[in-house]
Amino acid sequence: GNSVTQMEGPVTLSEEAFLTINCTYTATGYPSLFWYVQYPGEGLQLLLKATKADDKGSNKGFEATYRKETTSFHLEKGSVQVSDSAVYFCALTLDYKLSFGAGTTVTVRA
Amino acid sequence: EAGVAQSPRYKIIEKRQSVAFWCNPISGHATLYWYQQILGQGPKLLIQFQNNGVVDDSQLPKDRFSAERLKGVDSTLKIQPAKLEDSAVYLCASSLTGRLAKNIQYFGAGTRLSVL
Repeated sequence: GNSVTQMEGPVTLSEEAFLTINCTYTATGYPSLFWYVQYPGEGLQLLLKATKADDKGSNKGFEATYRKETTSFHLEKGSVQVSDSAVYFCALTLDYKLSFGAGTTVTVRA
Repeated sequence: EAGVAQSPRYKIIEKRQSVAFWCNPISGHATLYWYQQILGQGPKLLIQFQNNGVVDDSQLPKDRFSAERLKGVDSTLKIQPAKLEDSAVYLCASSLTGRLAKNIQYFGAGTRLSVL
């Protein structure tokens, strides 16, 4: 079946540090890949997406590149802020159903 | 544009009681989803509606969970009777169509259910 495995948390960083959250997937076809973010007390929001191999999604300083050869979609940000503290979910779809990873909790300290 | 609205935000009940959650999707969105998010896990799809018809309810525990979307707009999810393991956040989401590679799925803030 289709599944997503992402780096376990929690991750605690200082402000302006570099953030990487690893995500790998298993899929029977060519999925679209997503990163969702969930801020405290809120619902999930789409952070970025990539629909085909070698596509790079980017938003709010975050980036992720769809790597078909390694079946990965790692999330990166060069300089995190306290406001980036949230739970991050990697997800995939083969069009009609989203499959989510378990989520990675990120805490950024001032 | 108004987002996906859910109520209540929090609910505490005793096991074997019943509970209902309500969702109002974004206007014009044909596809509506209910997810269960257990602490420390990603959301798990319970049921998906296309207008007022069920597309996928394969993960819905039908002996105790039910959902409806009678007029193709609002939806309710009910649990009767609740068990301790039903403690979770119940998320509602909607999208313009069910084609998720091309359409963003928007989530509500969720209802946090505690079963004691």
